Amino acid sequence: EDQVTQSPEALRLQEGESSSLNCSYTVSGLRGLFWYRQDPGKGPEFLFTLYSAGEEKEKERLKATLTKKESFLHITAPKPEDSATYLCAVQASGGGSNYKLTFGKGTLLTVNP
Amino acid sequence: NAGVTQTPKFQVLKTGQSMTLQCAQDMNHEYMSWYRQDPGMGLRLIHYSVGAGITDQGEVPNGYNVSRSTTEDFPLRLLSAAPSQTSVYFCASSYSVQTEAFFGQGTRLTVV
Repeated sequence: EDQVTQSPEALRLQEGESSSLNCSYTVSGLRGLFWYRQDPGKGPEFLFTLYSAGEEKEKERLKATLTKKESFLHITAPKPEDSATYLCAVQASGGGSNYKLTFGKGTLLTVNP
Repeated sequence: NAGVTQTPKFQVLKTGQSMTLQCAQDMNHEYMSWYRQDPGMGLRLIHYSVGAGITDQGEVPNGYNVSRSTTEDFPLRLLSAAPSQTSVYFCASSYSVQTEAFFGQGTRLTVV
C-alpha cells in the first residue's frame, strides 16, 4: 500500500528564517510526486511535480527536491504570506492505482513577521 | 476561465437525507475526481473518472455514487447521509493521468 509521511506536522518560522519540509514515501513504482499549498478554507493549489530521483524544481522562495525515498520542500527567506499547509502526494505507476493520488497529512507552516 | 467550480460551499443535512454535490470544470480535462478531507487525515480519494461515461471507485467509495455524462460535470451523490460523512469535499480535474490536479474550493458538509 502506498504511504506518505510528512514532517514536521507544524513548523513555526521567523520571517527570513530558511527551513525544509520533509515528505517520505513508500510506493511500488513512482509515477510522480506532487507538492500543493493549501490556505485555510480553500482547495489545494498546485506547486510542483517531480518525476525522478535527482530532479529539482524552483518557484520564487520554494525549491523541491526528490530522492528515491523522500522529497524536500526548501523554503528560503520565507515571508508571512508563505504561511499555509503544504501537502505532498504520490502517484503510483501501473495497475489499478494509476490515477490515485495518495496524500500525506500535511505540514502547517506559520511564518511570523 | 473559472477552473473547477463546486456548489454548494456549505451544507447541513439530517441523517438519512440524500443530496448531490456539484462539480464543473471549464478546462476540457478528461480526468476528474472527488476527495474528502478530514482533520488529522490526508485527502482520500472517493471516486474518479477518466472520461465521459467512465467512472471507478477510489479508496473510500461506500455511501457515494458518481456519474459522468459530460466532460464538464462530475456530480457526487450521497445516497443516505450519515454523520461519518461529515467532511470537506474537494473535486479535482487534470488534463491527463500524469499532470497536476486542479482543485475546487471545497464543500463543507455537516450531517447531524
